[in-house]
Parts: sequence; C-alpha cells; structure tokens
Amino acid sequence: QVQLVESGGSVVQPGRSLRLSCEASGFTFSRYGMHWVRQAPGKGLEWVAVISDDGSNKYYGDSVQGRFTISRDSSKSALYLQMNGLRADDTAVYYCARGRIGGYSYGLDYWGQGTLVTVSS
Amino acid sequence: QSVLTQPPSVSAAPGQKVTISCSGSTSNIGSNYVSWYQQLPGTAPKLLIYESNKRPSGIPDRFSGSKSGTSATLGITGLQTGDEADYYCGTWDSSLSVGVFGGGTKLTIL
Repeated sequence: QVQLVESGGSVVQPGRSLRLSCEASGFTFSRYGMHWVRQAPGKGLEWVAVISDDGSNKYYGDSVQGRFTISRDSSKSALYLQMNGLRADDTAVYYCARGRIGGYSYGLDYWGQGTLVTVSS
Repeated sequence: QSVLTQPPSVSAAPGQKVTISCSGSTSNIGSNYVSWYQQLPGTAPKLLIYESNKRPSGIPDRFSGSKSGTSATLGITGLQTGDEADYYCGTWDSSLSVGVFGGGTKLTIL
C-alpha cells in the first residue's frame, strides 16, 4: 500500500535552516509528481511546492520562493524540502503528498502524517 | 487571504444534505480540475473528489463534486456525525504556476 512518511521536523531558531524528508513506498516513485503542503496551527492548508516526476520542473508558493528548495532522489524514493532563512510564520505541520498522474490539478491522492516545524527563539 | 473562497462554516442535521462552494477565477478553477479534501480533527487531509467530479475508490457516493465556470461545489447527502470535519477545495493556478487551496469550511452536524 502507498505510504508517505515525513521526518525532520523540530524546533529551530529564526534564520536557521532545516531539511525535511519524505520516504515513499508502495508505488513507483519516479512516475509521480510530489508536493509539500503545510498547515499552521489552527489554520488552513497552504500549498508550498511541487516537483515533477523527473525532477525537471519545480514550482513554489510566494511565501517560500527563494528560501525553500524541493528536491527528490528516485533511487531512494525520497522527497526533500530544504528550508533556509526560517521565519516564525513558517511554523506549521508539513505534509508531503503524491500528485495524481496527469497534471498538477489532478489532485493529491495520498498524504503523509505530517511533521511539525516550530520556528522560535 | 486564500485564492479560492469558501464559506467558513456550514451546518446541517444528520440525514440532511449540505453543499460547500468554492469560488476562484479563470486562471485556476476556470481552466483546471478541482479537488476536494476532508480533514478530520487531528489527521492528515484525505482526497474526496478529484478531476472536479470523480471519487477515489472507497469514497461513498454520498459525496459528489461539480464545477461550473469559475466555481465548484462539494455536495454531501445523508449526513452522518462522522462527516464533521474541515473541507478544502484545491486546484492549480495556470497564470501563477502555483497550487492553491480554499480557506476551508468547517462542517458541523447539528
């Protein structure tokens, strides 16, 4: 069965960096685009970034553009989010999610359990 | 301020029907599919509707989706207490090249 397991969340000071990982299993990872979505405490979903199946295309939300980098390693079935210059408003649960084949609007069909990032001094 | 607009809350009694609206623009809903997600308290979101009106396997036909122009609607019939959750619409914005979600709608079963 499809599984997505995030890790790497922790408490970090403002301005510091953190790398999140998402380990995928149960499907052919290299065939799917992958997304990061976050949710601040008590708030709604915010789309963060997407990487295409072959890693050639990457897109970012305005609030993280230039600070976050999405990447993937298909040999390890792993998705990453490198987060630099962290700010208090980056505090959230970060989910990785699988994009359905066909296009970026085709839906996110599997989600991980999320990993909590807290940015605080 | 979310790109897609949803009502903050809706409510209805068990067994009744409810609809949740999602309003966008020509660059997002108007030119792309819409998805709907259910988020039960303390859990990750779950895909309910994809490609605007299709249900993944395992999602009961009490849940339905539709799209017209720059708006989409999620319908839920035969409401159950277990349907109490937050519901989000989502799509792609072709002009901005970003994913977008609505602000979420909290469904309360009276």
